[in-house]
Amino acid sequence: QVQLVQSGPEVKKPGASVTVSCKASGFTFTNYGLNWVRQAPGQGPEWMGWINLFSGNTDSEQKFQGRVTMTRDTSTATAYLRLERLNSDDTAFYYCARDVHPSAASTTGQFDSWGQGTLVTVSS
Amino acid sequence: QSALTQPASMSGSLGESITISCTGSSNDVGRYDFVSWYQQHPGKAPQLIIYEVTKRPSGVSHRFSGSKSGNTASLTISGLQVVDEASYYCTSYTIVKTLVLFGGGTNLTVL
Repeated sequence: QVQLVQSGPEVKKPGASVTVSCKASGFTFTNYGLNWVRQAPGQGPEWMGWINLFSGNTDSEQKFQGRVTMTRDTSTATAYLRLERLNSDDTAFYYCARDVHPSAASTTGQFDSWGQGTLVTVSS
Repeated sequence: QSALTQPASMSGSLGESITISCTGSSNDVGRYDFVSWYQQHPGKAPQLIIYEVTKRPSGVSHRFSGSKSGNTASLTISGLQVVDEASYYCTSYTIVKTLVLFGGGTNLTVL
């Protein structure tokens, strides 16, 4: 079955960077796009960006552009999210989520499988 | 761009039906059929229950159904069960550079 397994919780100081990994199994990795979604405690989810797992092309929400980097390693079927210049507002659960449609040219904004979430806490 | 608008909370009795609305604009819900709904229980990741406005993923109960009219999408849950008590979020693709919008979420209480 489709599984997305994320890396463990992180605690970072303001100004630092964090990298979250998402290891995929149960499907052909390069056939899909992968989205990153975050959810602050007690808040609704927020879409951050998308990566085409075949080409490596990315799209991201404007507010994160310049701070976010999404990459993938096809040899290990793992995707990565790096967020730089962290501040307290970045404290949240970060999820990877597979797009519903394979071979899509862009995200469709519909996510059929989710990782378990990675809590990133930013605190001085 | 503002999130899609959902009622913050709703309640329904066991066995009844309830409909949750998700209002966007002609740039998103009104323009595309890439509208999806998610159920989230506390401490868990969201789970897809409806995509492309009306489609149910394999394994999702037939008690969940989706529809759309103009700029508003709706999720109907029939035969409410205790297990349906959760938060529900809608999403839509958007022509605006943001690309994907989430609703603010609806906390459903089953009485």
